[in-house]
Amino acid sequence: EAQVTQNPRYLITVTGKKLTVTCSQNMNHEYMSWYRQDPGLGLRQIYYSMNVEVTDKGDVPEGYKVSRKEKRNFPLILESPSPNQTSLYFCASSFLFQPQHFGDGTRLSIL
Amino acid sequence: EDQVTQSPEALRLQEGESSSLNCSYTVSGLRGLFWYRQDPGKGPEFLFTLYSAGEEKEKERLKATLTKKESFLHITAPKPEDSATYLCAVQAVRGGATNKLIFGTGTLLAVQP
Repeated sequence: EAQVTQNPRYLITVTGKKLTVTCSQNMNHEYMSWYRQDPGLGLRQIYYSMNVEVTDKGDVPEGYKVSRKEKRNFPLILESPSPNQTSLYFCASSFLFQPQHFGDGTRLSIL
Repeated sequence: EDQVTQSPEALRLQEGESSSLNCSYTVSGLRGLFWYRQDPGKGPEFLFTLYSAGEEKEKERLKATLTKKESFLHITAPKPEDSATYLCAVQAVRGGATNKLIFGTGTLLAVQP
């Protein structure tokens, strides 16, 4: 089954404790992206990757890191999380200019 | 600045009561306009892509249309299972290849039996 898989689905953690949210896709898509979804603000792009070893900032990259060492994986790293990064996170993938497929989200709470 | 505005924010319909959702956009060259459906606790699910003014696409009770400034998602004789948040997003033509989507904040649709 074609899918984008995110882990964990839910996480409660504390300020400053490094965390990684994993994202994996099985559709051989070259493009992958991370979004955060906040009430009243919609989905906003954090980082994206056009292919292996090619990443770039989206609209809200501050406080986040990414890497793309393999085509299928695109982890999101919060090295020193803060409460303003409490949000619902989505990973997406696609072929270039094609509709993006989304994972089911990671709800992150930072106390 | 590229922007997407959806209205209304929320819509409550009786089963069988047809209506339309609006997506207005300003973008420096439209590559494509996308409609997604999002259920609680789930990621957005792709519905339609529209590329040029005058284009229409249909799927079951849903029909999406596109003009140079806005898109409509028409829902004909809705059922309770059509209840969801409907998201609109645009992809702009820019100098250099990019796949970026700019999303609206969505319309929350509730269809009552």
